[in-house]
Amino acid sequence: DAEITQSPRHKITETGRQVTLACHQTWNHNNMFWYRQDLGHGLRLIHYSYGVQDTNKGEVSDGYSVSRSNTEDLPLTLESAASSQTSVYFCASSESLAGKETQYFGPGTRLLVL
Amino acid sequence: EDQVTQSPEALRLQEGESSSLNCSYTVSGLRGLFWYRQDPGKGPEFLFTLYSAGEEKEKERLKATLTKKESFLHITAPKPEDSATYLCAVQAVGEGKSTFGDGTTLTVKP
Repeated sequence: DAEITQSPRHKITETGRQVTLACHQTWNHNNMFWYRQDLGHGLRLIHYSYGVQDTNKGEVSDGYSVSRSNTEDLPLTLESAASSQTSVYFCASSESLAGKETQYFGPGTRLLVL
Repeated sequence: EDQVTQSPEALRLQEGESSSLNCSYTVSGLRGLFWYRQDPGKGPEFLFTLYSAGEEKEKERLKATLTKKESFLHITAPKPEDSATYLCAVQAVGEGKSTFGDGTTLTVKP
């Protein structure tokens, strides 16, 4: 069955370190998204991609970067982790076709920055 | 800028006590409005997509409706297993990304 996976599921790091969160989907979806979820803030979009070599900034992109070298993967990098980036991170993917816009979410990565 | 506001933030119901969750939105042109369910420690799970005012969709005890300004998620005779956070999101025409509301946390007591 097609799925979307994230790794690691839990991560503890120190301020200033570079951290990369992995997202892999086997749906063959063109669109991929990274969100963070904090208590009381719902899901906030960090970065998104509509296809290979395409990346776009979301509403909370400062301190984060992504790259899309293939259809299946969209890794999220925290260039220099800050305590404010402690959060739960969700990856999602969707098709581009009309009527197929539903986003399918991964299980999340819980990140703690000390 | 697209905006989504959900109310109430939290809702406590007794088993069998029907109610509604609200999602108010502003978007330049609506491509779709989505409802998701999220259980603690898990990613959101898709429930419904609504495309135009007047549209309704149902699944078990849940029914979603859409107007030009808001959507309602009606829960009929809820059970404890319906307890979760319900998220609403909108997509604008020409966009593949969604804007989410902060969610409504529903607790159903037996």
